[in-house]
Amino acid sequence: QQQVKQSPQSLIVQKGGISIINCAYENTAFDYFPWYQQFPGKGPALLIAIRPDVSEKKEGRFTISFNKSAKQFSLHIMDSQPGDSATYFCAASIGGGSNYKLTFGKGTLLTVNP
Amino acid sequence: ETGVTQSPTHLIKTRGQQVTLRCSSQSGHNTVSWYQQALGQGPQFIFQYYREEENGRGNFPPRFSGLQFPNYSSELNVNALELDDSALYLCASSLGRNTGELFFGEGSRLTVL
Repeated sequence: QQQVKQSPQSLIVQKGGISIINCAYENTAFDYFPWYQQFPGKGPALLIAIRPDVSEKKEGRFTISFNKSAKQFSLHIMDSQPGDSATYFCAASIGGGSNYKLTFGKGTLLTVNP
Repeated sequence: ETGVTQSPTHLIKTRGQQVTLRCSSQSGHNTVSWYQQALGQGPQFIFQYYREEENGRGNFPPRFSGLQFPNYSSELNVNALELDDSALYLCASSLGRNTGELFFGEGSRLTVL
């Protein structure tokens, strides 16, 4: 049973455009939703995270939007750059910021063309 | 500050063999988690070690086992290897079992023939 569903599988965006990646979850006990960025040959790295008491969190060009009633959250990358080309994973866990037993989506391969 | 280091980076085994993967946690981190990342998939939680004790386990059979040492480094052992065990095995360390950011290593790529 896949508890976190991520879409699209791949995404191609022009430089300067907006990249949008969506995730949906099933377990209403999840209360921490991080996004990870993974470059080829590297391990995932935490990009940004949100808790369900807020509907949006912004850090630089990266924004998480969270819809608790729909059980969905999304990552928006503004002014996308070629250096943003990577695989992005959404994840979820229980425990209010806990890193214990993260459940990951399947990932989105983002390509930003120059 | 030294990050999470894993060894070996790549290895090839045959079905039925056993493998040991090693992880050195980031300086000062007392918790190590192991994840399996199959090709084209997201990482899946195997287990977590906190102060040398297993602190939770994902949906993996008992032939996946681990250890954590007093210096917080860790090993992942897999017995009776199966073809489906072919994956990238990621180690992540953190300061505390339930708080803080996970810092991942670059992984050990295991191929089972």
